[in-house]
This record gives sequence, structure tokens and C-alpha cells, in this order.
Amino acid sequence: GAGVSQSPSNKVTEKGKDVELRCDPISGHTALYWYRQRLGQGLEFLIYFQGNSAPDKSGLPSDRFSAERTGESVSTLTIQRTQQEDSAVYLCASSPSGFTDTQYFGPGTRLTVL
Amino acid sequence: EDKVVQSPLSLVVHEGDTVTLNCSYEVTNFRSLLWYKQEKKAPTFLFMLTSSGIEKKSGRLSSILDKKELFSILNITATQTGDSAVYLCAVDPLQGAQKLVFGQGTRLTINP
Repeated sequence: GAGVSQSPSNKVTEKGKDVELRCDPISGHTALYWYRQRLGQGLEFLIYFQGNSAPDKSGLPSDRFSAERTGESVSTLTIQRTQQEDSAVYLCASSPSGFTDTQYFGPGTRLTVL
Repeated sequence: EDKVVQSPLSLVVHEGDTVTLNCSYEVTNFRSLLWYKQEKKAPTFLFMLTSSGIEKKSGRLSSILDKKELFSILNITATQTGDSAVYLCAVDPLQGAQKLVFGQGTRLTINP
């Protein structure tokens, strides 16, 4: 079956521009996570969606970052007024129901801010 | 602050060698420890450990957790070039959702 997909795979943008990153979770998975991975570092949790509950935004680094998810489908991570420090790989993961389930990761979007 | 530390950060060995990767953690609460393999961008799941002293095994890979000493090891025997990857350790700190805390990873290179 299809895994988690993300688009675009690579995005180069200029400092100050807004970007949108998209994640399509595995069909039927109610939990969706966004992580950021800076070069040579581990993954940092950003935000978590579970069904129709309010998202857990505790990992978002600033108010320039926001994310939406419609029901149990596609999610979009938006970064406004991008800065060079936002350059990283943004990874999305989904799991059947959150909590103790295994997370399945997408291939990520590599964002480069010039 | 919850923290996961992996060692070594980088390891180069020859095909056929056995390697041991280390992961230590400090978290306020603990639900599980997970190992992932990251070859390009998408980490792929290897093991989830919740109980001390019980070895999980999959082919040439095995892992064990010590909840008293707060660490885990990942062993790979008879390494192959296809084992070359970054190995990530993550802890689920039992904060409602599975908001994993990751270590920096160990970059493993297997030379033929």
C-alpha cells in the first residue's frame, strides 16, 4: 500500500518568503506528526494532529510556523517570512491512532532558505 | 529537559564486522524507546522497546533496553554495505501524544 508522501521533495526560497509543505498520511491513520531535522541533527517534534481534536502545537519554534489538517487527511505546514535558520528537512509521520503506535515517516521536504 | 544522547556519532567498519550503537536518555516519564534507520530522508522503523532486559531481534539486528541505567544498545552482526545509514534512537516521554525525542544519530559506514 501507499506510504506517507510529501511534496515538494525540495524547495528553495528566498529569505522573507512564505512556504507551504504538504503531507499525505497513510490512509486510515488518524495521527499525524511534523518534525524538523537540521543538518547533522536528530529530529525535533513540531506539531501533532489526532483526529478532530485540537492539535498539539507545543513544538512549533515561533509564530511564523503554523499547520493545518482537514479531518484525517492531508496536512499543510506553513512557514511565513522564512529565515535562513529555517533551512532543514521537514518530515511528516503518521500512525494508526497515536500514543503507542509506530510512526511511519514520509521522505521529507528539504527546505533551503537563501 | 528531556534528552537523548547517542554514541558514537560516527562509525566506520569493514563488511562482516559486528557493531554496537549506544543510546542513553534522560526523561521525566518513559513509555518506550525506538530505533530507526535513516538511509536518505525517511526514517524506517526498526524496534520499539518498553521492558527492560528483553531483547528484540530481527535478522542480524538486535536491541535491548536497560530502564534502570537508562540506556539501550543496537547490535548489528555480520555487517553489510547495505547497513550503511544513520541510526536514530528516540524516546517516547509519555506526554499524551507520542512526541518522540530523538538523539543526534549515529552515522554508520560499512566499507567493503
